[in-house]
Amino acid sequence: KAGVTQTPRYLIKTRGQQVTLSCSPISGHRSVSWYQQTPGQGLQFLFEYFSETQRNKGNFPGRFSGRQFSNSRSEMNVSTLELGDSALYLCASSLEGGDSSYNEQFFGPGTRLTVL
Amino acid sequence: AQSVTQPDIHITVSEGASLELRCNYSYGATPYLFWYVQSPGQGLQLLLKYFSGDTLVQGIKGFEAEFKRSQSSFNLRKPSVHWSDAAEYFCAVGPSNAGGTSYGKLTFGQGTILTVHP
Repeated sequence: KAGVTQTPRYLIKTRGQQVTLSCSPISGHRSVSWYQQTPGQGLQFLFEYFSETQRNKGNFPGRFSGRQFSNSRSEMNVSTLELGDSALYLCASSLEGGDSSYNEQFFGPGTRLTVL
Repeated sequence: AQSVTQPDIHITVSEGASLELRCNYSYGATPYLFWYVQSPGQGLQLLLKYFSGDTLVQGIKGFEAEFKRSQSSFNLRKPSVHWSDAAEYFCAVGPSNAGGTSYGKLTFGQGTILTVHP
């Protein structure tokens, strides 16, 4: 099975621009979570989607948004970019089921966003 | 709120030496616990997980971890470190009963960078 894929792998943007990142989960996985990783704040949860619905959201401003499509692929968008948004953005997918395995998340390689 | 503490920011060991990375968590119920490893510029790879049952869990690459409820700890161990183990290691906790605001959220520690000397 192919793993989680994220595109693009690297992005350079300037302040004020917006950006869209894409994540394709493992086939059959229906839950997609997004995380931001920075040297100062570490790994922080952004949001989680399941069946095209956002079920959970972390403590980030409204400039950060996302969506999920019917094939479980997900995108996240950051509008009005700030220098502090420079980070590695990681996507993770997991099965959704009645047993404990649904909590096991498989991560993609990430998208490195640099804001100048 | 749940939290994870990895007390050691950076650990250096010699190749062939044993390793123990510490992890303490704060959570109201029995959590799901994970250890992930991240090589530079890469995503996270799951080393092992604890959901329930035997408190000593075996993972990939020769790693193991022991869940100690009384100490709220989930320390990662390896008897003999290889140079390829140099990376950053993250302990994470997930909700044991997802619902409401718990869906899909892992809470991570700050990570421990492992350096291996030849």
